[in-house]
Amino acid sequence: DAKTTQPNSMESNEEEPVHLPCNHSTISGTDYIHWYRQLPSQGPEYVIHGLTSNVNNRMASLAIAEDRKSSTLILHRATLRDAAVYYCILRDGGGSQGNLIFGKGTKLSVKP
Amino acid sequence: GAGVSQSPSNKVTEKGKDVELRCDPISGHTALYWYRQSLGQGLEFLIYFQGNSAPDKSGLPSDRFSAERTGGSVSTLTIQRTQQEDSAVYLCASSLVSSGRTEQYFGPGTRLTVT
Repeated sequence: DAKTTQPNSMESNEEEPVHLPCNHSTISGTDYIHWYRQLPSQGPEYVIHGLTSNVNNRMASLAIAEDRKSSTLILHRATLRDAAVYYCILRDGGGSQGNLIFGKGTKLSVKP
Repeated sequence: GAGVSQSPSNKVTEKGKDVELRCDPISGHTALYWYRQSLGQGLEFLIYFQGNSAPDKSGLPSDRFSAERTGGSVSTLTIQRTQQEDSAVYLCASSLVSSGRTEQYFGPGTRLTVT
């Protein structure tokens, strides 16, 4: 799997937007960009994924660079509940990709 | 609908004993995965099942670990002769199919403590 690079930690204020970056310069043409998050003392939770176009869902938006070498997860209005570790993971959509490979992710802190 | 469920939520066992952890995936999901997370550590892949194919056991740390999936649904992870280093949260996930196009849904985990 291609590798991703994320900042170790970020801080945000409540009710402000948060932009979580991810670099994946060795991404292949069939790799999907997935984001998961893990709240304290809980299992990981799927957030969003995309291939080339920007994606929106009820939780977040995913902005993918034109060359696909980077992406940004956008939380439009951070809440205290969004404090979690966010993982950016590449998954090959061209075959039967199995497990997720988790890196260290970005620990997001949200201040009231 | 119902999500992924795991049981028990907590398990304390003595070193050397065998334990069984259960996972009920989302109905209709053909792919099932086991991961574990030791205290303060990252998530580590253990094994995954896709339909009737042979499971990918490449992440199992030793031959004390095994898993089966009966009828393409429920899965049991068995750890024989538990050791203290087996203490961790064991997480199960399922997805519609095993593909990069699909997302995985995780259960709440089983916290295993080996004393």
